[in-house]
Amino acid sequence: AQSVAQPEDQVNVAEGNPLTVKCTYSVSGNPYLFWYVQYPNRGLQFLLKYITGDNLVKGSYGFEAEFNKSQTSFHLKKPSALVSDSALYFCAEGAGNMLTFGGGTRLMVKP
Amino acid sequence: DVKVTQSSRYLVKRTGEKVFLECVQDMDHENMFWYRQDPGLGLRLIYFSYDVKMKEKGDIPEGYSVSREKKERFSLILESASTNQTSMYLCASRAGGVKGYTFGSGTRLTVV
Repeated sequence: AQSVAQPEDQVNVAEGNPLTVKCTYSVSGNPYLFWYVQYPNRGLQFLLKYITGDNLVKGSYGFEAEFNKSQTSFHLKKPSALVSDSALYFCAEGAGNMLTFGGGTRLMVKP
Repeated sequence: DVKVTQSSRYLVKRTGEKVFLECVQDMDHENMFWYRQDPGLGLRLIYFSYDVKMKEKGDIPEGYSVSREKKERFSLILESASTNQTSMYLCASRAGGVKGYTFGSGTRLTVV
C-alpha cells in the first residue's frame, strides 16, 4: 500500500535561516512525488514535483526538494526562509488517478 | 493554466438543510475529487470521479453524495447537513500520470 509520512506537525525557523520540511514515502517502483503549499483559507497550490531525472528539483518561490531513493525521502528545502513562507505544506505521491497525501506540516517562520 | 472554481468561499447552513457544493474545472480533466480538511486530520477523501456519471467512495463518504453529469462539473451534496460536517471542503481535478492535482480555493462550510 502506498503511504506518505510527514513526521513533523510543525517546523519553526528564523527568517533568513535554511528550512527543511520532511517527507518519506513507501511505494513500490518509481514514485511520482509532489509538494503543495496552503495559505490560510485557501486551496492547495502546487510547488514542485519529481517524476524522473535529476534528484534535486526546483520549484516555485525558491523552494527545492531532494529525492533520495535509498532513504525513500523527498524533503522540501529552502536556503533562506521568509516570514511569508509560513503556511501548511503537504507532500503527496501518486502516478495513477489519485494522490496520497501526508498529514501536512505547519511551517512557522519568525522574524 | 487549469482553473478549478468552487462556487462559494464561505457558506453558512442550518442543520437538516440539503447543501450543494459546486466545482467546475476548465481543462477537460477526467478525474475530480472532493476532500474535507479538518485541523489535525489532514485531507480526507470523500468521493472521487474518473469519468462522467462515474463515482467512487473515498474514505469518509457517509452523509455525502456526488453528481457528475458533465465532465467539467463535480457536485458534492450534503443530504441533511449536520454540525459535524462543518469543515473546509476542497475540490481538485487531475489529468493523471505525471500531472498533479489542481485545487479550487476551498469552501468553508459552517453548519449551525
